[in-house]
Amino acid sequence: DIQMTQSPSSLSASVGDRVTITCRASQSISRSLNWYQQKPGKAPKFLIYAASTLQSGLPSRFSGSGSGTDFTLTISSLQPEDFASYYCQQSYSSPPTFGQGTKVEIK
Amino acid sequence: EVQLLESGGGLVQSGGSLRLSCAASAFTFSNYVMNWVRQAPGKGLEWVSSISSSGDFTFYADSVKGRFSISRDNSKNTLFLLMNSLRGEDTAVYYCAKGFCDGGTCSWYLFDYWGQGTLVTVSS
Repeated sequence: DIQMTQSPSSLSASVGDRVTITCRASQSISRSLNWYQQKPGKAPKFLIYAASTLQSGLPSRFSGSGSGTDFTLTISSLQPEDFASYYCQQSYSSPPTFGQGTKVEIK
Repeated sequence: EVQLLESGGGLVQSGGSLRLSCAASAFTFSNYVMNWVRQAPGKGLEWVSSISSSGDFTFYADSVKGRFSISRDNSKNTLFLLMNSLRGEDTAVYYCAKGFCDGGTCSWYLFDYWGQGTLVTVSS
């Protein structure tokens, strides 16, 4: 199975900050990397697919980049509604696997 | 708006069985891969199973293979997960998730809409 490792596991940031979360795959997954946002007690929300394509209707402050084994999710200017956990997930091969999550908290 | 509504969760003894259902609406259910993804309390996300749009093809995580069975009824827009021989480590919120299609290309293992989840608790 492909292991997905996110860093950091948690971070504290202020509204307006630029936030970057990294995700590393244990082997190359080309650009088959997706990002989800999850708020406490809620279902995950689909943010980005194919490493950098923003899901329709989502704010452009979210962006993704990377290929191969190293990927990043960037929030250019953190908003109050962005405080949540973020998960990367590879869809390159079965079984699909998720990172352990990154919790973005209010500083 | 796409809606996925899970039901069937609850408290069950170790070794017991449960059947989860997911009622889908506001999209052409029969055109999409459907999936189950679970989340143990305080933990991350774990893919459980996927089924093709026709129901002809199914895939399972090793952790549930031989114990869980995914199926669908396209005439009723409903997805199922039959869970047998339940263990403590199966305790989780189980989410139904719709497969993603980008234009005419549909992906396995990409989840664009999720239900609110149903909690399964396995007691020993």
